[in-house]
Amino acid sequence: EAGVTQSPTHLIKTRGQQATLRCSPISGHTSVYWYQQALGLGLQFLLWYDEGEERNRGNFPPRFSGRQFPNYSSELNVNALELEDSALYLCASSLERGTTDTQYFGPGTRLTVL
Amino acid sequence: GNSVTQMEGPVTLSEEAFLTINCTYTATGYPSLFWYVQYPGEGLQLLLKATKADDKGSNKGFEATYRKETTSFHLEKGSVQVSDSAVYFCALASTGNQFYFGTGTSLTVIP
Repeated sequence: EAGVTQSPTHLIKTRGQQATLRCSPISGHTSVYWYQQALGLGLQFLLWYDEGEERNRGNFPPRFSGRQFPNYSSELNVNALELEDSALYLCASSLERGTTDTQYFGPGTRLTVL
Repeated sequence: GNSVTQMEGPVTLSEEAFLTINCTYTATGYPSLFWYVQYPGEGLQLLLKATKADDKGSNKGFEATYRKETTSFHLEKGSVQVSDSAVYFCALASTGNQFYFGTGTSLTVIP
């Protein structure tokens, strides 16, 4: 069974540009989560999608947005990039939407903003 | 608000030593608690979890007990191995599936 996949592996952008990150969940998983892992800050919860809808978001500005497609894959868009957006962005999926469900993480996309 | 505080690393232990990685949390309501582990070159994966007070999660010789009175979920293992070298993350899930992770504790086990 394929795990969670993310693309691209690395992304280099300049300040003010937009970045698009992609995530494919494990087959059959309907919930997708996005996290930002900046150096020294641990994982910060960004967004949760389930069944095509945004269900919750963390404490991030509106320029962080995304969507979930009918096949449950997801996109994270970051507009008007700032230097401090440089981080590893992790996607995770789970089979159900409960808080006790195991999340399966992808390898991440390393975003560098110059 | 909700938050997780875990022991600063890095931690270096000799093989067969006893391991404790402290984790305390602040939460409203009754969160679920987790330990995730990231082995070198791999993605994060669930190590164990506990969903209510006094529950004990266990896996691969690791244990953690959900202590509501001390708001803690410390990770323990009686005898670590070199293969346990990894980064360990404590996390909680609150209502609305909002997850909060600690900053991670790096463990190195030397033979």
